[in-house]
Formats: sequence, C-alpha cells, structure tokens
Amino acid sequence: ETGVTQTPRHLVMGMTNKKSLKCEQHLGHNAMYWYKQSAKKPLELMFVYSLEERVENNSVPSRFSPECPNSSHLFLHLHTLQPEDSALYLCASSQAPQGDQPQHFGDGTRLSIL
Amino acid sequence: EDKVVQSPLSLVVHEGDTVTLNCSYEVTNFRSLLWYKQEKKAPTFLFMLTSSGIEKKSGRLSSILDKKELFSILNITATQTGDSAIYLCAVGLMESQTGANNLFFGTGTRLTVIP
Repeated sequence: ETGVTQTPRHLVMGMTNKKSLKCEQHLGHNAMYWYKQSAKKPLELMFVYSLEERVENNSVPSRFSPECPNSSHLFLHLHTLQPEDSALYLCASSQAPQGDQPQHFGDGTRLSIL
Repeated sequence: EDKVVQSPLSLVVHEGDTVTLNCSYEVTNFRSLLWYKQEKKAPTFLFMLTSSGIEKKSGRLSSILDKKELFSILNITATQTGDSAIYLCAVGLMESQTGANNLFFGTGTRLTVIP
C-alpha cells in the first residue's frame, strides 16, 4: 500500500470512447503528477499540479485532459485516443514546496486502446 | 536537452552476487537524484541523493552521487530473487515557481536474480 490509489487498474476502450482515470492520495501531499509509461521508454511526465494549480503540461495532446479538484484527487479524462496511447498511466504525489521530498506512486492504470 | 542514461539496460546474476547499477545525467536545474524499484506495479522509492560523496544505505542497498562527474551508482550486495525488478533512476528538476519536484527518468535497468 503506497498511499496513492488509482482506479481502474485496467481499462480497455475504443478510440471513440470517453473515460476517466482517477487517482487519490492519502499522504497529505499537495502536488500530484500524471506519468505515461510505455514499453522500453522512460516514464514521461504528462501533467503536474502543485497546490491545485496546473504548473506543467509537457506538450501532451489535447485528447488527455487533467482535472485536480482538490489536493487529494487527480483525474485524467480521455477522449478519442489513439492506439499509441496504450500504456501504463501512473499517478504520483509529493509534498511541495519542499522539493526535497520523493514522489510516491500509485500502481497505475493499464490502458489498452482498441 | 535533459538526459538520464542508465546502464546496463539489463543484467542477470546469481543469488549472492553483488551488482552495481549506473546512472549518468545531463540536466539543467538539477535538484536531486532518486532511485526507484519497480516490480509489477508502482515504482517504490529507494533513495534520494542531493549531496556528493555521501553514501545512503538501506540494508543490502546503497547509493552514492557524484555531482562533479554527474553520475550515481546503486549497489546491491548478496542479491536475492526478490531483488529482481526494474531499477529506475530519476533526476529531480527544480520547479522554481511552486517547488514541485518534477522528475526526469531514465529507461531503467532490468535486474534478474536467478537462484
């Protein structure tokens, strides 16, 4: 149990579907992150929220839309995805502004696009 | 362009062996270097290093950072089959506005320990 919970664990969707990934952290952190992990590639940072404000969007396509309603919850809304979006999506949290604190990860959502 | 390179990409050893995993980096706004272990699910935090030459140790694992030569090593002694995993190196980049600790990852080293 890492203190960061992601749901669902697995998701299969068609290219025209709309779905959302959910992340909840129970660590009292105030920064949350979405990462994409594809086979044989490094984890790629997608979005960062710190103190509930989005501070980074690493040129992610608009078919991915994050939402952070409070410091404990983070969503990733998905629509009209492409097959290359199939990957493991990891959520993490940390304590900011004390940057010398590690990020703690959830178990991820394994996303498959048909 | 920020870069984190891990070597070797994969490694197979026998139980009881000692292994050294390498991580070199070239980044702007370096803040820290972190090691994570990833089995089938969440990467789990091992070490965070911010100062050169100070070894961090946890059981059979230890790590050290060289900020002059821009690299870190992760050592595992007396390896066990439970050490089989992907070991990820990440560099924490300073996000000056908010203090969020953005991480830039290497591709990882896949370690397999055979009985």
